[in-house]
This record gives sequence, C-alpha cells and structure tokens, in this order.
Amino acid sequence: AQSVTQLGSHVSVSEGALVLLRCNYSSSVPPYLFWYVQYPNQGLQLLLKYTTGATLVKGINGFEAEFKKSETSFHLTKPSAHMSDAAEYFCAVSTNTGGFKTIFGAGTRLFVKA
Amino acid sequence: EPEVTQTPSHQVTQMGQEVILRCVPISNHLYFYWYRQILGQKVEFLVSFYNNEISEKSEIFDDQFSVERPDGSNFTLKIRSTKLEDSAMYFCASVAAVGETQYFGPGTRLLVL
Repeated sequence: AQSVTQLGSHVSVSEGALVLLRCNYSSSVPPYLFWYVQYPNQGLQLLLKYTTGATLVKGINGFEAEFKKSETSFHLTKPSAHMSDAAEYFCAVSTNTGGFKTIFGAGTRLFVKA
Repeated sequence: EPEVTQTPSHQVTQMGQEVILRCVPISNHLYFYWYRQILGQKVEFLVSFYNNEISEKSEIFDDQFSVERPDGSNFTLKIRSTKLEDSAMYFCASVAAVGETQYFGPGTRLLVL
C-alpha cells in the first residue's frame, strides 16, 4: 500500500524567500509522484509530476521537486516565494497497480508574509 | 485544453435523501475516479472505475455509494441515503492511461443538513 507524509501542516515564509515543502512517500512498487496546489474554495491544480526519467522535475509557477529514491522523498521547492503562492499544497503518490488511484498527503498550508 | 466537468457545483440536501453527482471525464480517458475532501482535511480516494466496473474502492465507499457510467460520456456518483458526515467536496478525476496525468474536475460541494 502507498502512503504520503507531509512534514509540517503549516509553513510560513517571507516574500522572496525560499519555499521548501517536505514530502516523504511509502510504496512497495515504483511510484508516480505529484504535487497539487489548491487555492481557497477551488479544485486541485497539478504543479508537477514524476513518473520516470529525470529525477529533478520542473513544474508551473517556478516550482520544482526532486525525486530521491534513497530517501523516499519528493520535496517541493521554489527559490523565491510570491504572495500569490499562498495556498494549500498536497503531495500525492500513485502506482501502476490497484486502478492507479492517487493517495494524498494531509497537505501543507503555505503562508507568504510581505 | 480538455477538462473534466462536474455538476452541480453546489448541492444542499436533507439527511436521508439520495443525491447524484455528475461528472464528464475527458473523452479519450479510460480510468475514472471519485475523491472527497471534508472541509479542512485531505483529499481521500473513494473509488476507481475502469472498463465499466469498479477496479478498487476504499473503506469509505460503503453500500450507500454507487458509481455508474450510464453512457459514453457521463460518470456518476450516487449516495443512496445521505448522512451529515457525507458533507464534503467531491472531486471526479480521469486519466488516459497509467502514468499519465490525472485530471481533476472543479468539484461538487455537498452539504447535508
């Protein structure tokens, strides 16, 4: 079975500072990994995904994530936070078994201070 | 860009009533899903559907829930007798193939009174 742990339910950064949102996964088979962003009262928007190949994945809005198999991690980073980045971020995992369902982490709410 | 659509966007119902949430997945996609998100909580998997049958379901997806693909385009979630705790945002999703991007709809916010 797959699972996702997001460290820190809330992260606060200053505008212009580095954003680091942590995600660790558990999977008995090679995983597909995702980061989604959710703005208040809105749906889920895919930021980036890792399936195979290059372990450093670039996504939208300047975000990127690195798949580290040895650490079972898929942390999300952005060099310089913008006020518009304030949202809830969900790390998620799926595999090519079990109907390819997606398992989500509990989410990390990002606050950006002016 | 193709998108998953869901109707209605909001639904209010009385406890014990039946509700049907509707989704139109992306047309060439083969796998379909329902997820729910209780206010302030994480997104939870309910059920996956492939080749006109359920391929997997979670513990949440009990006998009160059912899914159907009545025609070539719609994918529905029925809750037979709603409970207060069914109040949540329900997301439909679809994917073309394993490893491809899963596209989520905008959600239906269900409020059970």
